[in-house]
Amino acid sequence: GAGVSQTPSNKVTEKGKYVELRCDPISGHTALYWYRQSLGQGPEFLIYFQGTGAADDSGLPNDRFFAVRPEGSVSTLKIQRTERGDSAVYLCASSPGRGGTQYFGPGTRLLVL
Amino acid sequence: GESVGLHLPTLSVQEGDNSIINCAYSNSASDYFIWYKQESGKGPQFIIDIRSNMDKRQGQRVTVLLNKTVKHLSLQIAATQPGDSAVYFCAEIDPFGNEKLTFGTGTRLTIIP
Repeated sequence: GAGVSQTPSNKVTEKGKYVELRCDPISGHTALYWYRQSLGQGPEFLIYFQGTGAADDSGLPNDRFFAVRPEGSVSTLKIQRTERGDSAVYLCASSPGRGGTQYFGPGTRLLVL
Repeated sequence: GESVGLHLPTLSVQEGDNSIINCAYSNSASDYFIWYKQESGKGPQFIIDIRSNMDKRQGQRVTVLLNKTVKHLSLQIAATQPGDSAVYFCAEIDPFGNEKLTFGTGTRLTIIP
């Protein structure tokens, strides 16, 4: 597609379970970002990839969160031992490269019961 | 640390009138700002950006003004339409070379028919 896509659009899981959220960036975009948005708040930065490597993971809240981008395109955000406080919209964005405009996907709405 | 904030959480404007959404930032080193529009259930949509070497930039029906002296920027939307109803965020790129965006809490704009 023309824009950033994210799957699933909604995910309901139980406390303690493992989840994976997928992001397909705009074709040709080398930079990819994950953000988390809680209700009524602005998005908060989690991690930034330039190519295959995580250039900045300072926003990941703890070691239950991990993200990969093995081939420099699709990225997966992984959350282990989910907690109710992880419930939020997880947004992915991509840009043509360093300093480029970040274009967002529709997000994955995660609900941890 | 740097922060980005908005003066008003909500704004109601009559259809056809102009609207102004304000944003303040605290870090004088900030040099790149972006306005995003977020409709319910969707990801943030890029509207317009401005760098610190400019004080005004215009797009289609939108104008962003940057006042570096008082660390303030605004988004002006001309001749508002019902489709302009959304939450508007200002965001800044980390001025220290990282690629992360820092968002404010947003202003909800409602267009009254």
